[in-house]
Amino acid sequence: DIQMTQSPSSLSASVGDKVTITCRASQSITNYLNWYQQKPGNAPKLLIYAASSLQSGVPSRFSGSRSGTDFTLTISSLQPDDFATYYCQQSYYTPLTFGGGTKVEFK
Amino acid sequence: EVQLVESGGGLVQPGGSLRLSCVASGITFSDYWMHWVRQAPGKGPVWVSRIKTDGSYTTYADSVKGRFTIFRDNAKNTVYLQMNSLRAEDTAVYYCATNHASRADFENWGQGTLVTVSS
Repeated sequence: DIQMTQSPSSLSASVGDKVTITCRASQSITNYLNWYQQKPGNAPKLLIYAASSLQSGVPSRFSGSRSGTDFTLTISSLQPDDFATYYCQQSYYTPLTFGGGTKVEFK
Repeated sequence: EVQLVESGGGLVQPGGSLRLSCVASGITFSDYWMHWVRQAPGKGPVWVSRIKTDGSYTTYADSVKGRFTIFRDNAKNTVYLQMNSLRAEDTAVYYCATNHASRADFENWGQGTLVTVSS
């Protein structure tokens, strides 16, 4: 199985901060990497697909990038609505696997 | 507007069975692979199973292989998950999710249905 190692597992930040979350795949997954946001009691919401494509309707402060097997989700200026848990997910090979999550909390 | 509505969850004893349903609207159902993803309380999402657009191909996580069956009825815009021989570790919220045939992500999700396996 492809392991997705996400870091950090949690972070504290303030409104307006730039936030970076990293996900490392245990083997090559080319660009088959997606990012989701989840708030308590809700289903995950797709933010970024294919490593760097912004899902329709998602604010442009969210962006994704790839360097080899390392992937990054960046929030350029954290907004109150962004406090949530973020997950990466590889769709290169089954079983499709998620990272362990990063909880973004208010500092 | 895309809507996915799951149903069929509930409390079941170990060894029991449940059938989950997910009805889709607002999409051309036959253009989408359908997936089930589960999330145990306080844990991250875990992919369970998927089915191809026409129902001709299915894949399962090892943890459910041989116990769960995914199938779909494109005429009813519905995907199902038949769960047999349920175990305590199957306790989770079960989500259905869509994956357009031209993409490789979970674009749309249902609200989830809770399955609790306990005596």
